[in-house]
Amino acid sequence: DTAVSQTPKYLVTQMGNDKSIKCEQNLGHDTMYWYKQDSKKFLKIMFSYNNKELIINETVPNRFSPKSPDKAHLNLHINSLELGDSAVYFCASSLGQSSYNSPLHFGNGTRLTVT
Amino acid sequence: SQQGEEDPQALSIQEGENATMNCSYKTSINNLQWYRQNSGRGLVHLILIRSNEREKHSGRLRVTLDTSKKSSSLLITASRAADTASYFCATDGNQFYFGTGTSLTVIP
Repeated sequence: DTAVSQTPKYLVTQMGNDKSIKCEQNLGHDTMYWYKQDSKKFLKIMFSYNNKELIINETVPNRFSPKSPDKAHLNLHINSLELGDSAVYFCASSLGQSSYNSPLHFGNGTRLTVT
Repeated sequence: SQQGEEDPQALSIQEGENATMNCSYKTSINNLQWYRQNSGRGLVHLILIRSNEREKHSGRLRVTLDTSKKSSSLLITASRAADTASYFCATDGNQFYFGTGTSLTVIP
């Protein structure tokens, strides 16, 4: 069984479009995250949700909006896509807000290409 | 920033050799974690070392932590081709901070 699953795996779209990436975890974790990995493999946190509440927003443009219908799901909606949004987006989850409690469990990523 | 920075950026070794990767960070931590990322996949947690620990082992992995130097090292002994991946350190806080990783290639 996949612990953290995200869809789609690949997403190719044109500038200006709106798209969503979905994430689900079946680990019973209470905190979920979105990370962006650029072409140099730098992994930067975008959002963190604990018990359906946003607890971190790391200077991400407001074109990006996370939505968490319940603590097992954290979706990422992106409006007005730009070329610079091309990257691999990873969903992750953990038990507790602090890394002291448990490590992160990652999905396999969504490669977004904006043309 | 608080992120970990791995060194070297790339490492190529023969199967059976040991691989050592280093991580430096800038602020105080509660723990430091190492992750592996295979090509096209998400990161997988390898090992966590707490700030009051100096060394930790897990199978062929050995992690050291020197809080006075704000550095950690990951040693993979008797490397295998399947160890080919990128390795990241992550430091804690209220969130996880990652670097750009060390790309390890193990040549069969």
